[in-house]
This record gives sequence, C-alpha cells and structure tokens, in this order.
Amino acid sequence: AQSVAQPEDQVNVAEGNPLTVKCTYSVSGNPYLFWYVQYPNRGLQFLLKYITGDNLVKGSYGFEAEFNKSQTSFHLKKPSALVSDSALYFCAVGSGNTGKLIFGQGTTLQVKP
Amino acid sequence: NAGVTQTPKFRILKIGQSMTLQCTQDMNHNYMYWYRQDPGMGLKLIYYSVGAGITDKGEVPNGYNVSRSTTEDFPLRLELAAPSQTSVYFCASSYPGGQFFGPGTRLTVL
Repeated sequence: AQSVAQPEDQVNVAEGNPLTVKCTYSVSGNPYLFWYVQYPNRGLQFLLKYITGDNLVKGSYGFEAEFNKSQTSFHLKKPSALVSDSALYFCAVGSGNTGKLIFGQGTTLQVKP
Repeated sequence: NAGVTQTPKFRILKIGQSMTLQCTQDMNHNYMYWYRQDPGMGLKLIYYSVGAGITDKGEVPNGYNVSRSTTEDFPLRLELAAPSQTSVYFCASSYPGGQFFGPGTRLTVL
C-alpha cells in the first residue's frame, strides 16, 4: 500500500536561513511526488512535482525538492526562508492512472523574523 | 477560468440533517476528488471520479455519496449528518501531473 510520512509536525527556522521539510514515501512502482502549501483558511496550492527525470526539482516561490530513490525521500528545501513562507506543507504521492494522491499529515513551517 | 469552485463556504448542520456540497470545475478535467481535512490528519480521500458516470470509493467513504452526471460537477452528499463529519471538505480536479483544489467548505455538525 502507498503511504507518505512527514516526520515533523512543525519546523521552526529564522528568516534568511535555509529550510528543509522532510518527506518519505512508500509505493510500489514508480512514484509521482508532490508538494503542496496551504495558507490559513485556504485550499492547497501546488508547489512542485517529480514525475521522472532530474532528481532535483525546482518549483514555485524559490522552493526545490530532491528525489532520493534509495532513501525513498522527497525533502522540500529553500536556501533562504521568508516570513511569508510560514504555512502548512503537505507531501503527497501518487501512482497508477487514476490520479489519486495519498497525503502526509502535514508539517507546519514557522519562519521567525 | 474560475478553476475549482465550492459552495457553500461554511455550514452548520444538526445531527441527522442532510446536505449536498457542490463542486464545479471549468477546466474540462476528467478526474475529480473529494477530500476531508481533519486537524493533524492530512487529507483523506472520500470519493473520486475518473469521468462522467464513473465514481469510486476512497479511503473514508462511509456516510457519503457522490454522483457525476457531467464533467464539470461532482457533488458530495451527506445523508444523515453526524458529529464525526465535522471537517473541512476540499474538492479537487486533476490534470496530468497534479491536482487543482477548491477553497474548501467548513462543515460543523452539532
């Protein structure tokens, strides 16, 4: 069965410092991996995805993620955090042809000035 | 394009009442989904549809029903509301390589 784990409920980082939000997955076959961001009282917004190709994926708002097949991880990163990056971040995995996604439980990112 | 729209934004129901959450997309996507989001639990898939006339259960379908008579609309029906259905409900539609989400419906059952 497919599953996604986000081991940290919350990540705290100072503005200007690099940030990492962790995600590991379990899926049979080739995974499709996604990161979404949710601001308070809003729906989810797409950040980036990995389907195939280069293991380093660049997305919106300066975020990037690295697909690591051997460690079954897809950590979200940003070189320099902004206060406005504070939000709830979800990792998701999909496979097959139905487009269904399995979501992690979410990680709250808090960037302090 | 309006994307994915959901109505209502908020609703309070009494136990045993019924209601329909509306979802419409104008992107001509075949695939559509309903999720519920509970605090600290991420999103759980309730039902999904791969095209008009075709629906299937997700992880947590009990207490819900769906229909898909057109490509654009994918309503979610709660027949006998229970406090356990208090949640935020998101509808999404899918394009190759990702999903667009609606703004959500916050439902409280008292």
